[in-house]
Amino acid sequence: GAGVSQTPSNKVTEKGKYVELRCDPISGHTALYWYRQSLGQGPEFLIYFQGTGAADDSGLPNDRFFAVRPEGSVSTLKIQRTERGDSAVYLCASSLRGRSTDTQYFGPGTRLTVL
Amino acid sequence: KNEVEQSPQNLTAQEGEFITINCSYSVGISALHWLQQHPGGGIVSLFMLSSGKKKHGRLIATINIQEKHSSLHITASHPRDSAVYICAVRGTYTGTASKLTFGTGTRLQVTL
Repeated sequence: GAGVSQTPSNKVTEKGKYVELRCDPISGHTALYWYRQSLGQGPEFLIYFQGTGAADDSGLPNDRFFAVRPEGSVSTLKIQRTERGDSAVYLCASSLRGRSTDTQYFGPGTRLTVL
Repeated sequence: KNEVEQSPQNLTAQEGEFITINCSYSVGISALHWLQQHPGGGIVSLFMLSSGKKKHGRLIATINIQEKHSSLHITASHPRDSAVYICAVRGTYTGTASKLTFGTGTRLQVTL
């Protein structure tokens, strides 16, 4: 079956612009996670959705970052007024119910470059 | 100090060698995950552990909850095992149980 997909795979933008990154989780997975991975680092948690609601958004670095999942499936991560420090690979993962013992399935990531 | 520490950061081995990657964590956990990341970014979950030991093919993962330590072993290593191996934990409390906290990864290169 289809895994987690993310679009675009690469995004180059200019400082100050707005970007949207999309994640399509595995069908039927209620839990969806966004992570950010800077070069040479492990991923860092951004936000966790259970269904349509953001159950934990404690990892969002500031109010320029926002994410939605209006129908409990596809999620969009939105970044306003992008800064060079936002350059990273943005990873999405989904799991069946979000239990600690559930496997998280990762998408291929979106590489964001802010010039 | 990071909540999840891995060692070594980089590891080069010859084909056939036995490899050990270590992970130490400083928080109470509900589960520990070992993940593999190949160049280009794709992450694959290898193991999820809450106690004891698991084996899958040439890979073995162990965890000692009392010592807050886990190891990933690769037997008879092969060049296709070359990747970054990442340890990640889930906490036990509300606010920590919903997310993975990652180590910085161990970059493994296996040569012929």
